[in-house]
Amino acid sequence: GAVVSQHPSWVICKSGTSVKIECRSLDFQATTMFWYRQFPKQSLMLMATSNEGSKATYEQGVEKDKFLINHASLTLSTLTVTSAHPEDSSFYICSASRLAANNEQFFGPGTRLTVL
Amino acid sequence: SQELEQSPQSLIVQEGKNLTINCTSSKTLYGLYWYKQKYGEGLIFLMMLQKGGEEKSHEKITAKLDEKKQQSSLHITASQPSHAGIYLCGADNTGGFKTIFGAGTRLFVKA
Repeated sequence: GAVVSQHPSWVICKSGTSVKIECRSLDFQATTMFWYRQFPKQSLMLMATSNEGSKATYEQGVEKDKFLINHASLTLSTLTVTSAHPEDSSFYICSASRLAANNEQFFGPGTRLTVL
Repeated sequence: SQELEQSPQSLIVQEGKNLTINCTSSKTLYGLYWYKQKYGEGLIFLMMLQKGGEEKSHEKITAKLDEKKQQSSLHITASQPSHAGIYLCGADNTGGFKTIFGAGTRLFVKA
C-alpha cells in the first residue's frame, strides 16, 4: 500500500512553455502533499507544501507565480511550471503523507524536466 | 534552521564489504528517516528512527540513532551491487511537519 505516482516521468519542452506535473496517491488519501526539486548531485529541496482544498505554502525563495500548485482532491496534486526556462530543468519529486502514518512521507518516482 | 550533514559524500566499496554512512544534525532529531534513491528515480523508504538509542534493520541494512538524538548511522553488511545508489537521511524539523534532507551519500559497489 501507500503508492504515489507521478506523470509524466520525463518531459522535454521549449523555453517559454508551461508544463504540468501530476502527483497521485493511488491507494490512500493524502492529507498533505509536498513538492521537491533536486538538482544534479544535490539533495532534495522542499518547494512547497499543499493541503487539499487550500492554498499551498511555499518555501522561501520559491516563486509561487512560477510554480503553481493545485491540490484539488485528496489523491491528486499538480505542479505547473509556467513559462519554463532552461534553469528550471531539474528532477521534481512529490510526496504524500496521511494522518495515520506518523507523518511518514511516501514518495513518487519523480519527473525529469528538461527545458530547451 | 536545522541542517543535516551526511558523510561520506561518496563511497566505493568492493562487493561483500561492510560500510557505514553517517548523518549528523545541528539540532535534536525528532524523527530520522533513511531513504535510498536509485539514480534519477524516486525515493525508497528504508526506516524511521525516533527514540534515542533505537536501532532498526531492513534486510542487510541497520540504522541506529544515538542516545543524544543528534546523529544516526546506516550500516550495510556484506554489500551487494543492488545496494548501489544514493542514501539520504531526512529529519522532521522542529514542529514536526516538514522533512529536511541531507545532501546524500553516493554508494558504488564494485562486483
